[in-house]
Amino acid sequence: GAVVSQHPSRVICKSGTSVKIECRSLDFQATTMFWYRQFPKQSLMLMATSNEGSKATYEQGVEKDKFLINHASLTLSTLTVTSAHPEDSSFYICSARAGTGTTGELFFGEGSRLTVL
Amino acid sequence: KQEVTQIPAALSVPEGENLVLNCSFTDSAIYNLQWFRQDPGKGLTSLLLIQSSQREQTSGRLNASLDKSSGRSTLYIAASQPGDSATYLCAVRGTYKYIFGTGTRLKVLA
Repeated sequence: GAVVSQHPSRVICKSGTSVKIECRSLDFQATTMFWYRQFPKQSLMLMATSNEGSKATYEQGVEKDKFLINHASLTLSTLTVTSAHPEDSSFYICSARAGTGTTGELFFGEGSRLTVL
Repeated sequence: KQEVTQIPAALSVPEGENLVLNCSFTDSAIYNLQWFRQDPGKGLTSLLLIQSSQREQTSGRLNASLDKSSGRSTLYIAASQPGDSATYLCAVRGTYKYIFGTGTRLKVLA
């Protein structure tokens, strides 16, 4: 199956710093990537939809200035958590849709666990 | 607004049992439905994708069915093994995004 790589898998940072997480589709081009946040023992919460070459679409309640998303190429999307605080600590997962139209299959990265001290 | 629910929330079975996981969704206007597996602290692994025009998909010991009109999908796992222990999530694709279910935590006892 298609492969989505996410990096870093774990990051610990001090409060107030910014952290960048990368999501790459390794063997296919992804015009659309999705960023999710997952709290312990809960399902995935969609944060934003990232479209190559255009601005991301954020879900209600997600601060776009806090969570900066860039999708500069068909294989790379980045999520930057700016001025991180302890409440931003979470598991962040990206996904990419293979193919176009309505039939594309969704593939996920391995996730990035962010801990803000 | 699409809502996706999975029942049961948790399940513990002895090895070798056949089992069924359920996924229900409120809006039948979906393009496809996908089942995933998530191991603790890991990302999601795609198991099966069912297009809206399909009724079922099979892969090895897994069989997923889709009844769009009633808003239901089931994941059937045959001859369960301890390695099947994980959280299973279903996701439905609407016009613009995927909505995930609440997940079923499965534990298969040796």
